[in-house]
Amino acid sequence: GENVEQHPSTLSVQEGDSAVIKCTYSDSASNYFPWYKQELGKGPQLIIDIRSNVGEKKDQRIAVTLNKTAKHFSLHITETQPEDSAVYFCAASGGSQGNLIFGKGTKLSVKP
Amino acid sequence: EAGVAQSPRYKIIEKRQSVAFWCNPISGHATLYWYQQILGQGPKLLIQFQNNGVVDDSQLPKDRFSAERLKGVDSTLKIQPAKLEDSAVYLCASSLGLGPPYEQYFGPGTRLTVT
Repeated sequence: GENVEQHPSTLSVQEGDSAVIKCTYSDSASNYFPWYKQELGKGPQLIIDIRSNVGEKKDQRIAVTLNKTAKHFSLHITETQPEDSAVYFCAASGGSQGNLIFGKGTKLSVKP
Repeated sequence: EAGVAQSPRYKIIEKRQSVAFWCNPISGHATLYWYQQILGQGPKLLIQFQNNGVVDDSQLPKDRFSAERLKGVDSTLKIQPAKLEDSAVYLCASSLGLGPPYEQYFGPGTRLTVT
């Protein structure tokens, strides 16, 4: 079955710096890669996603890149702000049922 | 638009006791998911419903966990009897349909502590 590895587990940056979180997946049939942000006491919230027919996607300060050959994808956050502090999860999905397999998460801390 | 509602938000029980969680998905969402999130890990799918039918329950420990979605709307997840390793946050999510491009919307979760 699918396995998703996520690194780093914790990341601390200064406000205004960029943050990069990386994930690898094992199942070459996976074709959908969402990223979720989870704040304390809340459920995960989708922030951006990418499909296997696209190499890069941007939404304001957030971007995701996908390398299908290497089976890895990354989340890039530019001009980080304190409100970006949260746990971020990557996930991969490939079956017709669309089941998501999540990474273990990255705790991002943005220091003012 | 109201989000996914879950109750209770917190529950503390002793091992071998039973517990039930309730989920009300976003109106009109046909697909409902229950996830288990152990501290420090990502959510793990337990069971997935399409309307009131089970699509995938391969990761559900059926000797102690059960779930139902009567009338294709609300859902309950039950654990009986609970074990210490069941301590986790139980997340409910819903989506308009199966798989991409349908986004999964998560509720706030129920934090279960088994002592």
